Parts: sequence; structure tokens; C-alpha cells
Amino acid sequence: ETGVTQSPTHLIKTRGQQVTLRCSSQSGHNTVSWYQQALGQGPQFIFQYYREEENGRGNFPPRFSGLQFPNYSSELNVNALELDDSALYLCASSLGVVDRAQETQYFGPGTRLLVL
Amino acid sequence: GIQVEQSPPDLILQEGANSTLRCNFSDSVNNLQWFHQNPWGQLINLFYIPSGTKQNGRLSATTVATERYSLLYISSSQTTDSGVYFCAGRSSGSARQLTFGSGTQLTVLP
Repeated sequence: ETGVTQSPTHLIKTRGQQVTLRCSSQSGHNTVSWYQQALGQGPQFIFQYYREEENGRGNFPPRFSGLQFPNYSSELNVNALELDDSALYLCASSLGVVDRAQETQYFGPGTRLLVL
Repeated sequence: GIQVEQSPPDLILQEGANSTLRCNFSDSVNNLQWFHQNPWGQLINLFYIPSGTKQNGRLSATTVATERYSLLYISSSQTTDSGVYFCAGRSSGSARQLTFGSGTQLTVLP
């Protein structure tokens, strides 16, 4: 148990729809990162939020967007879903220490999204 | 961004055997973690090890930062060790993300 929770656990959507995934970070952590893991691959960084501000973004289109709330929980929104968006979506929380290189990221159990 | 290469991609062992998993980085990293992903997708932290050696029970890890590689050792493997092992690093530049390798699929047979 990492103390990071995600909801829902599974989700089925159709192409063109929109989806919102949620993440609650570990107590005391102010940084949340989101990753997409396609089948058979390692997780790919989507973006990171630190104290409610986007703090870095990977190579994902703008239809992937996010929010972080004052309690440091976070949402990942994906618009205009495509078949290739089918994946395991993982969030990770970290302490966000001054020297962020020292962060250890703790992952939630993930949300499995299937786009038909 | 950095490139992370893991080897071997697949490993099949008999219970009780030892194994070494390797992770190479294309550039220097100041944050390196090893994870075990269970069959349900949960990534479990094994080590935070940007340099040096650490041990936790049957698992140990060594990172040689100057040569840009890290090794994960599993001794006396058990069937519950099966799963995918990932290493991930963050470059010494301004990047915020962890970059993952493609993983080593470990199968431990009874």
C-alpha cells in the first residue's frame, strides 16, 4: 500500500468521448505526476502538478489536461478519445522537496481505460 | 530526454535461483528508482538508488552513476517475485519526469 488511490479502477468509453480520472495523493505529498502505460511498455510521463500548477509536460497533445486541487488530489482529463488512448493510467505522488531530484515517487494502482 | 535500456527483456528461472537485471542510461541521472509491477498493474517501490548499493532482504541494487548503469540482484527467487521489473531515472537537467525502461519480465517457476 502506497497511500495513493485512483478511481475508477476500470473504464470503458467510445471513441470521441471524454473521460476524467482521479487520484488522491499520499498524505503530506504536494506533487502529483500522471503516466500512461500501454500494454507491454513502460509508463510514459504525461504531466506533473506541483502546488496546483502544471510543472512539466511530456509529449502528449493538449487534449490531455489536468488539475490539482488545494488538497493536492488531482484529475486527468482526456478529450476526444482515440483508440490508442486505451492504456493503464497511473498517478504518482511525491513530497516535492526543494531538491526535487531527491523525490521518490509512489504510484497508485492505476485506472484501466478501454476505448472502443 | 534520456533513454533507458533494460536487459534482459525476459527471464525465466527456477525457484531458488539468483538473477541480475541491468539498466543502462544514455545520460547522467540524479534520481533512479527500481519498481516491481505486479499482475494487477501496481508499481511497487523497491529502491531509490541514484548511486551506491542498497539491500532489502533478498533484493539488492547497485548504481554506478559515473558509468550510467544500475543492477538489481534477486537472490533465492520465489514464485511471488514474478512480474515486470522497471527502472526509471530522471536526468540531471531540468526534466521533471521519471523516464522508464521497457522492463524485464521475470517468471519464476516452482
